[in-house]
Amino acid sequence: DIVMAQSPLSLPVTPGEPASISCRSSQSLLHRNGYNYLDWFLQRPGQSPQLLIYLGSNRASGVPDRFSGSGSGTDFTLTISRVEAEDVGVYYCMQALETRTFGQGTKVEIK
Amino acid sequence: QVQLQESGPGLVKPSETLSLTCTVSGGSISGYYWSWIRQPPGKGLENIGHIYYRGSTDYNPSLKSRVTISVDTSKNQFSLKLSSVTASDTAVYYCARYTSYYFGSGRGYYYYLDVWGKGTTVTVSS
Repeated sequence: DIVMAQSPLSLPVTPGEPASISCRSSQSLLHRNGYNYLDWFLQRPGQSPQLLIYLGSNRASGVPDRFSGSGSGTDFTLTISRVEAEDVGVYYCMQALETRTFGQGTKVEIK
Repeated sequence: QVQLQESGPGLVKPSETLSLTCTVSGGSISGYYWSWIRQPPGKGLENIGHIYYRGSTDYNPSLKSRVTISVDTSKNQFSLKLSSVTASDTAVYYCARYTSYYFGSGRGYYYYLDVWGKGTTVTVSS
């Protein structure tokens, strides 16, 4: 299994300020086609997860452009350029190179 | 737009089989991959497995011996069976849809989870 590790596990944020979450995989997620097989999800309190980013850096439909994904190989980052109150929740990375596995989640809350 | 709805018993006895169904509305089950994912109370997400509308499956190796996912295209539904359950199988169970992204130039497709159900809570207890 590919093991996914996120950090930090808890992230207090200030509205209007940037925030970033790290995700590391136990093996490279870079496919031979040049794409990184990694997605990011947000699970707001009491809701189902929703897709934010796929293939490492592609924003899903309807996702605000303050969300961006970067990285390659084994190290990835989700960045929120200016945090808004609605961004609170738990963020998960998920690898899609093999049978899918998720990171532990990062809980984002307002300071 | 497409909506997914999980259904099934909310309480299952230890050693019995958990059975859930996901009903797809607002669109066809054909042409897509469909997934089951679960979340134990207060914990993170765990992939259970997925099925193509034509019936091919892929399961999480840690659950493979106990899991069966099936599809019924005539009813626009797919189902999960998890046998020999224990308290550790207590979780919110989500069904979800994979949508494809074509790379172009014959380089194939990528599949990402774009639609999720609201989830259903299953408790394993006597």
